[in-house]
Amino acid sequence: TQLLEQSPQFLSIQEGENLTVYCNSSSVFSSLQWYRQEPGEGPVLLVTVVTGGEVKKLKRLTFQFGDARKDSSLHITAAQPGDTGLYLCAGASGATNKLIFGTGTLLAVQP
Amino acid sequence: NAGVTQTPKFRVLKTGQSMTLLCAQDMNHEYMYWYRQDPGMGLRLIHYSVGEGTTAKGEVPDGYNVSRLKKQNFLLGLESAAPSQTSVYFCATQRGFLYGYTFGSGTRLTVV
Repeated sequence: TQLLEQSPQFLSIQEGENLTVYCNSSSVFSSLQWYRQEPGEGPVLLVTVVTGGEVKKLKRLTFQFGDARKDSSLHITAAQPGDTGLYLCAGASGATNKLIFGTGTLLAVQP
Repeated sequence: NAGVTQTPKFRVLKTGQSMTLLCAQDMNHEYMYWYRQDPGMGLRLIHYSVGEGTTAKGEVPDGYNVSRLKKQNFLLGLESAAPSQTSVYFCATQRGFLYGYTFGSGTRLTVV
């Protein structure tokens, strides 16, 4: 069974701080996606990374796919209260479209 | 453009009752999925479909059945609900390989 472990599970920070969330597995993924979920809503796609070592930036969010395609990180610069939510990584292996989701990191940014 | 619509949004069932959750999409996506989300366990795949008339089992299929008679609809059925099926259920669609999922807003189900 493929597992995606995220750390930390919970993170409470002040507005303006930087943070990094990690997503790790012993399995190789053909692609990895990051989602953000707000209370009472479904997850919303932030980014897809495909190539080992790939780095993508989305405003203050930087996503990196590990060289071996087994892990990923999400870095947020100068966090804002609007960044509050549950961050989920999800990986696909081989030619399948099915995603395996991580357990999530719950981020709270205090004003 | 509604995207992915799930009905109902909330439901309380008694043990042993049956119900059907409906997922409707207007994006013409081929792939559709049903996940359940439980605290500390993330999103787990129940069943999925790669096209009209096709279904397949996911990670946690026991106690659930699905049907995809029309491309735009994916139904999830619980024949005899159990308290262990208390969860938030999400439907998702996908345009194709390497595309992201589009999720509905979920159905919160409580089985008492």
